[in-house]
Amino acid sequence: KAGVTQTPRYLIKTRGQQVTLSCSPISGHRSVSWYQQTPGQGLQFLFEYFSETQRNKGNFPGRFSGRQFSNSRSEMNVSTLELGDSALYLCASSWVNGDTQYFGPGTRLTVL
Amino acid sequence: ELKVEQNPLFLSMQEGKNYTIYCNYSTTSDRLYWYRQDPGKSLESLFVLLSNGAVKQEGRLMASLDTKARLSTLHITAAVHDLSATYFCAVDMTTDSWGKLQFGAGTQVVVTP
Repeated sequence: KAGVTQTPRYLIKTRGQQVTLSCSPISGHRSVSWYQQTPGQGLQFLFEYFSETQRNKGNFPGRFSGRQFSNSRSEMNVSTLELGDSALYLCASSWVNGDTQYFGPGTRLTVL
Repeated sequence: ELKVEQNPLFLSMQEGKNYTIYCNYSTTSDRLYWYRQDPGKSLESLFVLLSNGAVKQEGRLMASLDTKARLSTLHITAAVHDLSATYFCAVDMTTDSWGKLQFGAGTQVVVTP
């Protein structure tokens, strides 16, 4: 069974730009969660989607948004990028709530 | 707010010796996860512990959960170099978690001869 895939793997943007990251979950998984990982703050939850609905959101500004499509693929968008948004963005999928989350390889975003 | 504390944050291990990583969490939960992360890589699921007293073992790693003490341990037996990585524990709330895992800060493990 194919794992979670994320594209692109690496991105370099400048301040003020916006970026869209994509995540394809494991086949059959309907829950997709997003996390930001930085050396200073560690792993922080961004949001979770299930059946195209955002069910949970972490403590991030409104510049961070996401969506999920009917095939469970998910995208997250960051607008008006700031230097502090430089991070590894990880997507994880699971079959149902409380099931083990399986993580993708991540997208490394660098904001200059 | 759920808080998850791991200790130690850094662990230098000698090959062949045994070590333990501790994970404490602040509120009631009976689902705890252990993940491993190699440098520059994503998180690999190691164990999920679902009830008080749960014990899981895989190779040289053994994880246990005490929900009354809000404590999980990851025990490493006879450490080998391949176990060098960062280990994270993560907890979710039993209700209303909706995909949110609260992670500990991670324990960086370095195994030397």
